[in-house]
Amino acid sequence: KNEVEQSPQNLTAQEGEFITINCSYSVGISALHWLQQHPGGGIVSLFMLSSGKKKHGRLIATINIQEKHSSLHITASHPRDSAVYICAVRTYNTDKLIFGTGTRSQVFP
Amino acid sequence: EPEVTQTPSHQVTQMGQEVILRCVPISNHLYFYWYRQILGQKVEFLVSFYNNEISEKSEIFDDQFSVERPDGSNFTLKIRSTKLEDSAMYFCATSRREGNNEQFFGPGTRLTVL
Repeated sequence: KNEVEQSPQNLTAQEGEFITINCSYSVGISALHWLQQHPGGGIVSLFMLSSGKKKHGRLIATINIQEKHSSLHITASHPRDSAVYICAVRTYNTDKLIFGTGTRSQVFP
Repeated sequence: EPEVTQTPSHQVTQMGQEVILRCVPISNHLYFYWYRQILGQKVEFLVSFYNNEISEKSEIFDDQFSVERPDGSNFTLKIRSTKLEDSAMYFCATSRREGNNEQFFGPGTRLTVL
């Protein structure tokens, strides 16, 4: 069983729609990261969180430590949001990140 | 804005050849990581490095792999004798300190082993 599971694996949306991507994990963590991977392959860090909620522009990330669950929301989605969104966790006593398989998101105009 | 850089962007090599992938960290970062992503699969941790020593390594990081920081700036990953299954995207990441610190990723090196 994967330690980090994401859903959905793929999603499509019309421009302007609200998008939610979910991440569940089975290990105790010290932090959770949301990352964006563009078609060219580069990885950009969006959020790092260990509790509560963070917002940056149209992106919102939440985490529920008790339920071992995090969500990434994109409000007013735009075609430029098309990318793979990856959830990754850091467990205690380690710096390495354990990655989910990613959610491929396509936003159509 | 400072960023992590990696060279080359794409490396093609013959099976059995040695390759060196290079990373230039953000200047005040002290913790360095290599990850790899085989096409169509998730990103996997290879190794972390701090104070000129390996801090942690995965099962993937066997004797064919090595890392070093030869000149205090570049951080390199060497694969001594490449195999077909080493074909992947290799990402360098760096962070300022350990613990709950953001890791900044380089653009990756696509390694193709023929």
